Amino acid sequence: AQSVTQLGSHVSVSEGALVLLRCNYSSSVPPYLFWYVQYPNQGLQLLLKYTSAATLVKGINGFEAEFKKSETSFHLTKPSAHMSDAAEYFCAVSDRTSADSWGKFQFGAGTQVVVTP
Amino acid sequence: DGGITQSPKYLFRKEGQNVTLSCEQNLNHDAMYWYRQDPGQGLRLIYYSQIVNDFQKGDIAEGYSVSREKKESFPLTVTSAQKNPTAFYLCASSIVAGVEELFFGEGSRLTVL
Repeated sequence: AQSVTQLGSHVSVSEGALVLLRCNYSSSVPPYLFWYVQYPNQGLQLLLKYTSAATLVKGINGFEAEFKKSETSFHLTKPSAHMSDAAEYFCAVSDRTSADSWGKFQFGAGTQVVVTP
Repeated sequence: DGGITQSPKYLFRKEGQNVTLSCEQNLNHDAMYWYRQDPGQGLRLIYYSQIVNDFQKGDIAEGYSVSREKKESFPLTVTSAQKNPTAFYLCASSIVAGVEELFFGEGSRLTVL
């Protein structure tokens, strides 16, 4: 089965600074990868997705992520943090390794982002 | 507007009681999912369904049950057999299982008193 690891459960950034959230996956087949954002007491909202097209993926709210097969990574970045970016972020992979696991999504543990003025 | 509706948003239950969480979608999606969220543990899959009248266990199905009698509905029952049911529950759907992204409801927070 595929799995996802997010490095760092909490990240603090200054307003205007670079946001970098790390995600590594384990997979024996080309994965589909996703980043979601969650605000308190709400559901998750898709930021962006990689499904075997361009390796640099642009999403909503100025976020982008780069798929690097050699590093099995899909890190999320935003050049300049805004106060509204304070939220929890989840990396997810669609499990396509076997018929039994097809259709399941595995989520990382999440990274809480705090933005300071 | 198309989307996923979960109800109730907040629910309190006494120990030993079963409770059912509702999930309805009008997106015409084939696949539907239930996740449990606990602080610091991400989302863990309880059950998922790829088509009507069919569903599969996820990673933490013990103490839960589901049905999928209609395409738009996927209710989750938290039974008294679930040892630690206090959590935030999220329902999601996707056009096709495992290929396209998940769309999430607003969640239901269950507290056992």
